[in-house]
Amino acid sequence: AQSVTQLDSQVPVFEEAPVELRCNYSSSVSVYLFWYVQYPNQGLQLLLKYLSGSTLVKGINGFEAEFNKSQTSFHLRKPSVHISDTAEYFCAVSWGDYKLSFGAGTTVTVRA
Amino acid sequence: EAQVTQNPRYLITVTGKKLTVTCSQNMNHEYMSWYRQDPGLGLRQIYYSMNVEVTDKGDVPEGYKVSRKEKRNFPLILESPSPNQTSLYFCASCRQGGEKLFFGSGTQLSVL
Repeated sequence: AQSVTQLDSQVPVFEEAPVELRCNYSSSVSVYLFWYVQYPNQGLQLLLKYLSGSTLVKGINGFEAEFNKSQTSFHLRKPSVHISDTAEYFCAVSWGDYKLSFGAGTTVTVRA
Repeated sequence: EAQVTQNPRYLITVTGKKLTVTCSQNMNHEYMSWYRQDPGLGLRQIYYSMNVEVTDKGDVPEGYKVSRKEKRNFPLILESPSPNQTSLYFCASCRQGGEKLFFGSGTQLSVL
């Protein structure tokens, strides 16, 4: 069965420091990969997605993610975070048949 | 403005009283989906629809019904709500698989 695992439930980080959020998935077929962000009291917004091609994907707000097929991972990174990056981040995987599975989420808290 | 509109935003009800949460999108999207969000579990797919009159179960369909009579609308129906359905619900849509999902603002449901 396919699954998505976000390895960290909480990530505290200081402003201007780098951050990495880890996501692993299990699948025997090709997948589409996504990172979504949820700010307090809002719905989810797409940060970036990987469908095919270059394994390094750049998204909005300075985020990027790298698809690693051999390790079945899609980790999200930002070299320097801001207070406004405080949010919950969700990794999601689609197996192409319109079934989209989300990870449990990682709460990022940026401190001054 | 392109958007997914859910109503109501907040709903408190009692066990067994039928309710409907509406979802409408103005982007002519073929795909629509319902998720519930619970702490520590991320988003779990309830039902999805690939087009008018085409619906399918997600990961947690028990206790829910949906219909897709028109392309723009995808209501979620709880025939006999129970306390374990207390959750934050999101409707989402996209043009086709692999595309960016547009999310509604969410419906916070409490079943007493």
